[in-house]
Amino acid sequence: EVQLLESGGGLEQPGGSLRLSCTASGFTFSSYAMTWVRQAPGKGLEWVSGVSGGGDNTYYADSVKGRFTISRDTSKNTLYLFMHSLRAEDTAVYYCAKGRTGTHYYFDYWGQGTLVTVSS
Amino acid sequence: EIVLTQSPATLSLFPGERATLSCRATGSVSTSLAWYQQKPGQAPRLLFYDASSRASGIPARFSGSGSGTDFTLTISSLEPEDFAVYYCQQRSNWPLTFGGGTKVEIK
Repeated sequence: EVQLLESGGGLEQPGGSLRLSCTASGFTFSSYAMTWVRQAPGKGLEWVSGVSGGGDNTYYADSVKGRFTISRDTSKNTLYLFMHSLRAEDTAVYYCAKGRTGTHYYFDYWGQGTLVTVSS
Repeated sequence: EIVLTQSPATLSLFPGERATLSCRATGSVSTSLAWYQQKPGQAPRLLFYDASSRASGIPARFSGSGSGTDFTLTISSLEPEDFAVYYCQQRSNWPLTFGGGTKVEIK
């Protein structure tokens, strides 16, 4: 059974940093693209960042480029999102999701999400 | 950036009725489009990919169609569990983008 478990969310001040983690199980982690998608309270889905199965290629939304970094550790079956220079508008539930293939950026399994709140 | 516009924003229907949801792109995405369903407090669920390929476990009353810039998600006869928010997503161009969502609510 595929499982994705996010952690690392919480309350952070504007300008601060957080690291989100997503621990994966039930599939060959290194074979699939992974992504982060966020959802501000009461709002729609916003794609944040993605990484290919091999980790060679990373992609970012313009709203987070230069501030967020995605990475994966295949030895730990874990996806990360390093978030810096946080802003109030980064407040959201952050979901990690699994791609259908190594480069197929449709997302067939999702975690339960972790809430990030940016506020002073 | 490809912008996806979903319409209507809200669809009020009775159980058993047919639902037709639209997703329009500002540029061609070929058939590189997915549909997701999201219920309150839950993560999204993949319904279709490549515009019309049904994901695992999705009932046959759901269908997806379209190509280029115009796409449709149809629910032939609404069941109580189908009342939710539906999103489209394109993977043709970076950055990936989602539509703003259509809420299907019980009338």
